[in-house]
Amino acid sequence: DQQVKQNSPSLSVQEGRISILNCDYTNSMFDYFLWYKKYPAEGPTFLISISSIKDKNEDGRFTVFLNKSAKHLSLHIVPSQPGDSAVYFCAASGGGNTGNQFYFGTGTSLTVIP
Amino acid sequence: DSGVTQTPKHLITATGQRVTLRCSPRSGDLSVYWYQQSLDQGLQFLIHYYNGEERAKGNILERFSAQQFPDLHSELNLSSLELGDSALYFCASSVALGGKQETQYFGPGTRLLVL
Repeated sequence: DQQVKQNSPSLSVQEGRISILNCDYTNSMFDYFLWYKKYPAEGPTFLISISSIKDKNEDGRFTVFLNKSAKHLSLHIVPSQPGDSAVYFCAASGGGNTGNQFYFGTGTSLTVIP
Repeated sequence: DSGVTQTPKHLITATGQRVTLRCSPRSGDLSVYWYQQSLDQGLQFLIHYYNGEERAKGNILERFSAQQFPDLHSELNLSSLELGDSALYFCASSVALGGKQETQYFGPGTRLLVL
């Protein structure tokens, strides 16, 4: 059963506009969330994270928002650049029955059109 | 370049065979993790080793096994291969015990095709 879901397999955005990638989770024990970015033929690389004690974390053009009541997080990229074209994975971890391991979503392929 | 290396990059084999995937973690990292990414699936956690000891198991089949050697490199052994084992296998490493807030650095993956 997929505990972390990314329901949009792909997203296309014009250069300079905002990209919004969404992620939903089901396990209320998750309390730490991450976004990874993956280029073809490379492994995922860490992008940004957020703890459940916060509802927003910002790093340059990247902002992650967490809505705990909705069990939803999103990654905003502003402004989007062609180099941002990649697959983005959402991941979650936590204590309790989560086993302290990372659970990944299926990824969203972002294409930024010049 | 994450500093994590995986060999081979590609592997084609037949059903029923056995293969070994190899991972070298970043210099100084003590933890190694293995993940499987099948078509249209997210990365599924398989197993975690810390300094030679198994720390956690995820959805790893009994036909699969892993170990971490004294030089900290790790091997994932897949036996009695089935068509459904075709996937990308990623190795990741982290500095310490792998707490939930510890960044994991991923290798480029090994693409396994079972025919």
